[in-house]
Amino acid sequence: AQSVTQPDIHITVSEGASLELRCNYSYGATPYLFWYVQSPGQGLQLLLKYFSGDTLVQGIKGFEAEFKRSQSSFNLRKPSVHWSDAAEYFCAVGASASGSARQLTFGSGTQLTVLP
Amino acid sequence: NAGVMQNPRHLVRRRGQEARLRCSPMKGHSHVYWYRQLPEEGLKFMVYLQKENIIDESGMPKERFSAEFPKEGPSILRIQQVVRGDSAAYFCASRTGVGGYEQYFGPGTRLTVT
Repeated sequence: AQSVTQPDIHITVSEGASLELRCNYSYGATPYLFWYVQSPGQGLQLLLKYFSGDTLVQGIKGFEAEFKRSQSSFNLRKPSVHWSDAAEYFCAVGASASGSARQLTFGSGTQLTVLP
Repeated sequence: NAGVMQNPRHLVRRRGQEARLRCSPMKGHSHVYWYRQLPEEGLKFMVYLQKENIIDESGMPKERFSAEFPKEGPSILRIQQVVRGDSAAYFCASRTGVGGYEQYFGPGTRLTVT
């Protein structure tokens, strides 16, 4: 069974600083990987996705993530954080059976606080 | 293109009542997923449906919970005889059935059982 670990429950950065959120996954085959962001009381917004090909993927709002098979990681990065980035971030892996995507398994989330 | 729509956004039920949560997927999306977010447990998959078919219900509690996605109309998640432990945020997600694997989430329904 697949699993996702986000080792950092809470991260605090200053506005303008760089950001890296860690994500490690466990999955037998090549996974489908996603990062979502959730603001309080809201749904999840897709930031970016990885299915295959180039291991560095670009997303919305200036975010990027790098897939590293050898480390089973898919870390999210942003070079300069804005106050509006404060939210909870979820890494997810998509199960695949018979070549079709099924349910997502989520990490426990990382809460990001941005200091002015 | 409207996103995934869920209603109601907030639902309060007394113990023993029934809760019905509705989800309209994005236009053109034929695959619907339901997830539950509990404060101490995070986001968990419940059920995966296509039109008129339940594909995977491995995450659904065995009793009191059911889901459907009829040929016409929204997907419905139904919880019978609700208990306090059912209080949670329930999210619906949808995706296209042609090549797209990413899921798009609705705003959720916050269920409170009193």
